[in-house]
Amino acid sequence: KNQVEQSPQSLIILEGKNCTLQCNYTVSPFSNLRWYKQDTGRGPVSLTIMTFSENTKSNGRYTATLDADTKQSSLHITASQLSDSASYICVVSSTDSWGKFQFGAGTQVVVTP
Amino acid sequence: DAGVIQSPRHEVTEMGQEVTLRCKPISGHDYLFWYRQTMMRGLELLIYFNNNVPIDDSGMPEDRFSAKMPNASFSTLKIQPSEPRDSAVYFCASSLRPQSGANVLTFGAGSRLTVL
Repeated sequence: KNQVEQSPQSLIILEGKNCTLQCNYTVSPFSNLRWYKQDTGRGPVSLTIMTFSENTKSNGRYTATLDADTKQSSLHITASQLSDSASYICVVSSTDSWGKFQFGAGTQVVVTP
Repeated sequence: DAGVIQSPRHEVTEMGQEVTLRCKPISGHDYLFWYRQTMMRGLELLIYFNNNVPIDDSGMPEDRFSAKMPNASFSTLKIQPSEPRDSAVYFCASSLRPQSGANVLTFGAGSRLTVL
């Protein structure tokens, strides 16, 4: 069973609107959680990283939140742009097994004009 | 730094042929990872190296797959013989291991493999 579940699987939003992506994990013991953005035909690129003690972290129009108690994270995209069309992947690290990071299946976001 | 460099970017081959994918990690990074990405299964870890030594190859699907890292600046992933179900995008990523334990992977652009 995948230890990192993402929702929704895909979504379509109008340019300028906001959206929120979800990531639930069961990885334990938890070390950190990172969101990656993957453009079509490219490798994933890091957006933000959250450690156990952090609740919120922003990177421009991207804001990630983490609730370590409920093992949930969200990625909020504000005022979406066409360039935000991509797959967003949640990756969780465990303190026990560095190197064997747990990947979510990703959320495919399409921003339409 | 040019980042992680993978070649070829695209490979189309026939079933039964040998396929070799290549990766040059970022200079100074001591960890190198090979991943496979498909629509059905997402990103899957195949194998990773530390200081050129394979640490975990439990993700390598079967004996047809092999990976080597002869030096700090080069790694190969070989499939012999290739099968249609091997069709996927193969990513190489490199990293330093931070004290925080964070995953700080830098991915290459990927090699898209199609086996007919």
